[in-house]
Amino acid sequence: DTAVSQTPKYLVTQMGNDKSIKCEQNLGHDTMYWYKQDSKKFLKIMFSYNNKELIINETVPNRFSPKSPDKAHLNLHINSLELGDSAVYFCASSQGLAAPYEQYFGPGTRLTVT
Amino acid sequence: AQSVAQPEDQVNVAEGNPLTVKCTYSVSGNPYLFWYVQYPNRGLQFLLKYITGDNLVKGSYGFEAEFNKSQTSFHLKKPSALVSDSALYFCAVRDLGTGGFKTIFGAGTRLFVKA
Repeated sequence: DTAVSQTPKYLVTQMGNDKSIKCEQNLGHDTMYWYKQDSKKFLKIMFSYNNKELIINETVPNRFSPKSPDKAHLNLHINSLELGDSAVYFCASSQGLAAPYEQYFGPGTRLTVT
Repeated sequence: AQSVAQPEDQVNVAEGNPLTVKCTYSVSGNPYLFWYVQYPNRGLQFLLKYITGDNLVKGSYGFEAEFNKSQTSFHLKKPSALVSDSALYFCAVRDLGTGGFKTIFGAGTRLFVKA
């Protein structure tokens, strides 16, 4: 009964390709996030959705497009992949947005662009 | 702008000894502070948080953290370290006072506990 799940766990692809990462949470949370963790383990917010509405869009290239079909799912589509996109991408969820709720993270998707 | 700093890249401690992982923050309003732990090839796990009230917050796995408003610090502590505590620890801050909904994470501190 995984709380936050992501697929795939590993993704190896070539520059210029388009790929998607899927995320699902079964916690009944209203808010979901995408984070990028670089090779130095620095964690940065990319997007946040609350009740399927985009709340945070952090200066992420337009090649990255999140989609939330419902509160339990937040997918990330990446067009025209570049070498610099190689990183670990984490999905997370929290009970709500406007309160100090902790976040629950998925296991991560390691993206390698060659 | 809100920020959080973890001044140590790495902390080494012997098993059974007390450990401290340091964190300082900067916010314009009331801070909401968090500690998360990341084991190799895993996602972050929530350890504890400070919202208001007692300055000493207790969390999972025997960890606790002390909030110090005057020093703007939120150091993570454990009285007796275990080898299994070896992991990457992240401090995070959220400042709802500015109307922002972002959680800002520190750069992380790698904890090594030697048997």
